[in-house]
Amino acid sequence: EAAVTQSPRNKVAVTGGKVTLSCNQTNNHNNMYWYRQDTGHGLRLIHYSYGAGSTEKGDIPDGYKASRPSQENFSLILELATPSQTSVYFCASAGGAQDTQYFGPGTRLLVL
Amino acid sequence: QQKVQQSPESLSVPEGGMASLNCTSSDRNFQYFWWYRQHSGEGPKALMSIFSDGDKKEGRFTAHLNKASLHVSLHIRDSQPSDSALYFCAASPITGNTRKLIFGLGTTLQVQP
Repeated sequence: EAAVTQSPRNKVAVTGGKVTLSCNQTNNHNNMYWYRQDTGHGLRLIHYSYGAGSTEKGDIPDGYKASRPSQENFSLILELATPSQTSVYFCASAGGAQDTQYFGPGTRLLVL
Repeated sequence: QQKVQQSPESLSVPEGGMASLNCTSSDRNFQYFWWYRQHSGEGPKALMSIFSDGDKKEGRFTAHLNKASLHVSLHIRDSQPSDSALYFCAASPITGNTRKLIFGLGTTLQVQP
């Protein structure tokens, strides 16, 4: 089974602070994704990447930046965190014959 | 409007029973479907994909796709308490070299022992 890990698993941040969420995959997948999950909205795509050095905007990129420094690592950066960014964030990598997305365990972020 | 709509919102079945979940895409460009399952406190996990008309069976899980109506269903036979979870349908076009999934809001399944 593909392995995707996320850190931290839980984070409390203050409004206006900088938050970095990290994701690591050992599957050698080219494609990686960041989603947020909120009640009533399901899973929504924030940013994605085709490979090291590339980042693309997803459906809700405002207020977020992404960084893909290597094949294995994909970070989500909140430069100025706001309470509306309180959510559960999931990272995924995609690969295999059907390009299935494999999700990490999630990071629960609370912005006060 | 949600491009991927799921029904019902929640479902309760007895242990050993059949659970049936539905999903419809409102965009004809989104014709490739996945089912994901998410247990509380975990990330979603892919159950199965279906890209062609007809049935696809994997163990106790059977997916059925009707491309003409863009409707896909998931049937879980002999439901177990461990099947209690949030089930997502996701649809994708094939664009470029990555598949961007659009997720439905999910169906919460409760299997009663």
